[in-house]
Amino acid sequence: EDKVVQSPLSLVVHEGDTVTLNCSYEVTNFRSLLWYKQEKKAPTFLFMLTSSGIEKKSGRLSSILDKKELFSILNITATQTGDSAIYLCAVEPEDGAGSYQLTFGKGTKLSVIP
Amino acid sequence: EPEVTQTPSHQVTQMGQEVILRCVPISNHLYFYWYRQILGQKVEFLVSFYNNEISEKSEIFDDQFSVERPDGSNFTLKIRSTKLEDSAMYFCASRDRGSHYGYTFGSGTRLTVV
Repeated sequence: EDKVVQSPLSLVVHEGDTVTLNCSYEVTNFRSLLWYKQEKKAPTFLFMLTSSGIEKKSGRLSSILDKKELFSILNITATQTGDSAIYLCAVEPEDGAGSYQLTFGKGTKLSVIP
Repeated sequence: EPEVTQTPSHQVTQMGQEVILRCVPISNHLYFYWYRQILGQKVEFLVSFYNNEISEKSEIFDDQFSVERPDGSNFTLKIRSTKLEDSAMYFCASRDRGSHYGYTFGSGTRLTVV
């Protein structure tokens, strides 16, 4: 059974701090790992990672995957109150059916205080 | 930017009633999904749909549930004889073949069974 474990489960930081969110996984036939940001409702896509060691960046957010150690980190630098959200990690298996269903972790709830 | 649209945003129903949750996926996407998130818990896969048939379903997706794509645009989830434990946020998602941008999720339907 595919498994995703995120840590910490919650985190409170001050504006301007840098945070690192962790995601470890077990999956049969790995295809990709995805990070999502969930504010009020729908998860919104941040990154899709398929290759080890290649950092993906978007503004103050970056993420990297280690396929040997089976984990990924999401970094947020110079945090702002608008970064407050639940950050979800999910893995996608390569399955013959092509359905690519996602297995999610419980998420890390990030609260950024002014 | 293309969106996945879900209606209604909130549905309250009495235990034992049938509900239909509606979704309009992104028009050129090929894979469609339903996920649910019980309050405070993980996002869980329910079912995937491709080429007008179910390609994968989870243990949660039992005979109480069904999906349909009645026309070229809508994708529905029917829950027969709702139970209290069906109360959750239900997310529809769609993706294109080989997408490098993961899934696009709808904003969800909050189902409350009373």
